[in-house]
Amino acid sequence: DVKVTQSSRYLVKRTGEKVFLECVQDMDHENMFWYRQDPGLGLRLIYFSYDVKMKEKGDIPEGYSVSREKKERFSLILESASTNQTSMYLCASSTWDRGLVETQYFGPGTRLLVL
Amino acid sequence: DQQVKQNSPSLSVQEGRISILNCDYTNSMFDYFLWYKKYPAEGPTFLISISSIKDKNEDGRFTVFLNKSAKHLSLHIVPSQPGDSAVYFCAASQFSSNTGKLIFGQGTTLQVKP
Repeated sequence: DVKVTQSSRYLVKRTGEKVFLECVQDMDHENMFWYRQDPGLGLRLIYFSYDVKMKEKGDIPEGYSVSREKKERFSLILESASTNQTSMYLCASSTWDRGLVETQYFGPGTRLLVL
Repeated sequence: DQQVKQNSPSLSVQEGRISILNCDYTNSMFDYFLWYKKYPAEGPTFLISISSIKDKNEDGRFTVFLNKSAKHLSLHIVPSQPGDSAVYFCAASQFSSNTGKLIFGQGTTLQVKP
């Protein structure tokens, strides 16, 4: 079974703090994704990565950055947290199977509250 | 621009009855569609998918129907069970883009009453 873990389930931070969200997958997947989930907006893609040291902007990258130094680990960084970044953050991973789009496997999520 | 839309925020059905969740999309280049289920405080889990070369895919109590001309897909759950109560997200992708990106709808909260 694919396992995607996220470093924290709940996090409370103050405005202006630098926040690190860590995600680790154990299935040697090439692709990793960061989403945020907000009521009425569904899952919105922040950043994704196809390989180590590679990153691509998603639909809402503003205020975020990412790091992928190892294949199994994908970090989301909030350089200076703001209250509008209060949300549920979800990490996912996937792999290519004979060139086909593969299912994304999600971690349990980190609920971040910025005060 | 919301490319994948789930226009019903919530749905309530009686146990044993059919649940029908709907999803519309605007991008005709989408060629692969998935449904995910999400319980509170958990990540979404994959439920069922369908390729655009098919119009139906079935897995146990779950069936997904795709109407390409209407750019519409639906998820049928028969019979519905209380444990099916969750948020359901539809998602779409474009294989030719070679990105693996999924575009998600807003989600529909299903409540199955005993």
